[in-house]
Amino acid sequence: NAGVMQNPRHLVRRRGQEARLRCSPMKGHSHVYWYRQLPEEGLKFMVYLQKENIIDESGMPKERFSAEFPKEGPSILRIQQVVRGDSAAYFCASSPAGGGEYGYTFGSGTRLTVV
Amino acid sequence: GENVEQHPSTLSVQEGDSAVIKCTYSDSASNYFPWYKQELGKGPQLIIDIRSNVGEKKDQRIAVTLNKTAKHFSLHITETQPEDSAVYFCAASMFSGGYNKLIFGAGTRLAVHP
Repeated sequence: NAGVMQNPRHLVRRRGQEARLRCSPMKGHSHVYWYRQLPEEGLKFMVYLQKENIIDESGMPKERFSAEFPKEGPSILRIQQVVRGDSAAYFCASSPAGGGEYGYTFGSGTRLTVV
Repeated sequence: GENVEQHPSTLSVQEGDSAVIKCTYSDSASNYFPWYKQELGKGPQLIIDIRSNVGEKKDQRIAVTLNKTAKHFSLHITETQPEDSAVYFCAASMFSGGYNKLIFGAGTRLAVHP
């Protein structure tokens, strides 16, 4: 029973390139949350998605960042024209239903390095 | 706004000692309080959780206590071992932005010295 799968584990991009981060939720989970973590810091909420819907994107930067969770396939966090400040660990979590009371299961993260 | 405060931010203990991390929350309607452990280079992993209908829960060397009146909850680790060294995050479910979500504390970096 696989957990939350994120890939790639490590991603290196040059400034100005695009980064695509993928997240496959746990089996039976249809709610996905993305978090960003800078070195030595906490978890910063970015976006919450259900299948084909963005529920809460209050933590997403207004430009260059977008997220989707299509009917088929993984959730994608896309960062266009990356800058050095985008270097961070990006974690995806999933839950079986909407609502914090169901708990979140986290993936192992994607560590993005912008050079 | 809705938030979870976590203290201390860093904690250093000798192997075998106990460690206590405390969190306070703002929403009296919160009903679910998980704790996550994040080891270096890994994602946060759920280690224990408690719901608002109980005051304490224990799992081997770790325990969580909840005081709903005071709106705070704590993680207790007894007989600490070097492998307990990690960052610990508390969280509380809260109604915010139109739905119930988990709000995380800022984390506590625990170092257990042999």
